[in-house]
Amino acid sequence: SQQGEEDPQALSIQEGENATMNCSYKTSINNLQWYRQNSGRGLVHLILIRSNEREKHSGRLRVTLDTSKKSSSLLITASRAADTASYFCATDPGAQKLVFGQGTRLTINP
Amino acid sequence: ETGVTQTPRHLVMGMTNKKSLKCEQHLGHNAMYWYKQSAKKPLELMFVYSLEERVENNSVPSRFSPECPNSSHLFLHLHTLQPEDSALYLCASSQEWGADTQYFGPGTRLTVL
Repeated sequence: SQQGEEDPQALSIQEGENATMNCSYKTSINNLQWYRQNSGRGLVHLILIRSNEREKHSGRLRVTLDTSKKSSSLLITASRAADTASYFCATDPGAQKLVFGQGTRLTINP
Repeated sequence: ETGVTQTPRHLVMGMTNKKSLKCEQHLGHNAMYWYKQSAKKPLELMFVYSLEERVENNSVPSRFSPECPNSSHLFLHLHTLQPEDSALYLCASSQEWGADTQYFGPGTRLTVL
């Protein structure tokens, strides 16, 4: 199984609603990052949260980190059609590399 | 968009062809990465270069051959590929090798016939 696993695998909501995605990981980390990928494109970095932080905001994004549960959540508020994309968490389980999960595919319906 | 460019964007090749993917970063970063993204699979790290030296090679078949002539350019030379190598190949860079934020190119969609 993967170091980082997103849940759910797919999420479909109406425009204007909030979207919440979760990421669980297995080993201790220094930081956790969230990325977005539009269909067939490269990944775009959204936000990084360090292991000593519990919550971080960036615009309509809110990320939480619970190191005791080894989990993180990404909340997108007031969703827009342009938020339709896949969202990945990435962790650094050591060995100087990022490990990406399989992603959550988010669809915002107009 | 992100300062990392990749060419070509799409590539169709036969199993006996030889082709190369090119990546260029304009961010002054010291580390560059090749990833493979297949449908329904997590992103797979293939190679990492730090200051033009290969520092990671994740058991990638020898039909994939990376080259990093300088800190701004990264190539992936392809030969005798298999249909299962069809995927989106992503290049990324980061300030330093490790768990830094990575900046991705748009990818090359490779189809092997």
